[in-house]
Amino acid sequence: GDSVTQMEGPVTLSEEAFLTINCTYTATGYPSLFWYVQYPGEGLQLLLKATKADDKGSNKGFEATYRKETTSFHLEKGSVQVSDSAVYFCAQFNQAGTALIFGKGTTLSVSS
Amino acid sequence: NAGVTQTPKFRVLKTGQSMTLLCAQDMNHEYMYWYRQDPGMGLRLIHYSVGEGTTAKGEVPDGYNVSRLKKQNFLLGLESAAPSQTSVYFCASSYGYTGELFFGEGSRLTVL
Repeated sequence: GDSVTQMEGPVTLSEEAFLTINCTYTATGYPSLFWYVQYPGEGLQLLLKATKADDKGSNKGFEATYRKETTSFHLEKGSVQVSDSAVYFCAQFNQAGTALIFGKGTTLSVSS
Repeated sequence: NAGVTQTPKFRVLKTGQSMTLLCAQDMNHEYMYWYRQDPGMGLRLIHYSVGEGTTAKGEVPDGYNVSRLKKQNFLLGLESAAPSQTSVYFCASSYGYTGELFFGEGSRLTVL
């Protein structure tokens, strides 16, 4: 069935370091892809999305490019801040297209 | 602007007890979802609704029931709670199949 797979965490970085969180998907066709972020004690919120192949989603300095050749949607940021410490989830629609299915989440911890 | 509100935020139950989680949204969204979040498992979809009076099963529906009698409310019921249902429950809503979900702050349920 359709699924998303994220790299295992936690990811621990120093402030201003480069961030990559890997995400790959399995699906029939080319689903829209999403990154959500969950800050401590809060619900998830949409960070960015891409709706078709080669699209690049971006927000708050984060970017992800939809690559159908490698079925990937890796999240990147050039210079992380302490305030980026959170759990990041990759997601896509389920096969019926009616709800999102999420990866297991990757915890990012940034220290100053 | 409240967005998505979940009640209660915390609850402790004994095995076999029943309870209902209430989710209310004030954004006039058609679609509503219940997810559970467990360590190492990410978010898993329990049930969802694509409109008033409709519900559908997600990935992990067993042991839960839902109702959507009013467009703004989505109730999640546990008829006979089990320790395996100890989790953080998130409600979310969306305007359509855009993939942009708005989440509540979560309800932490412990079943002893």
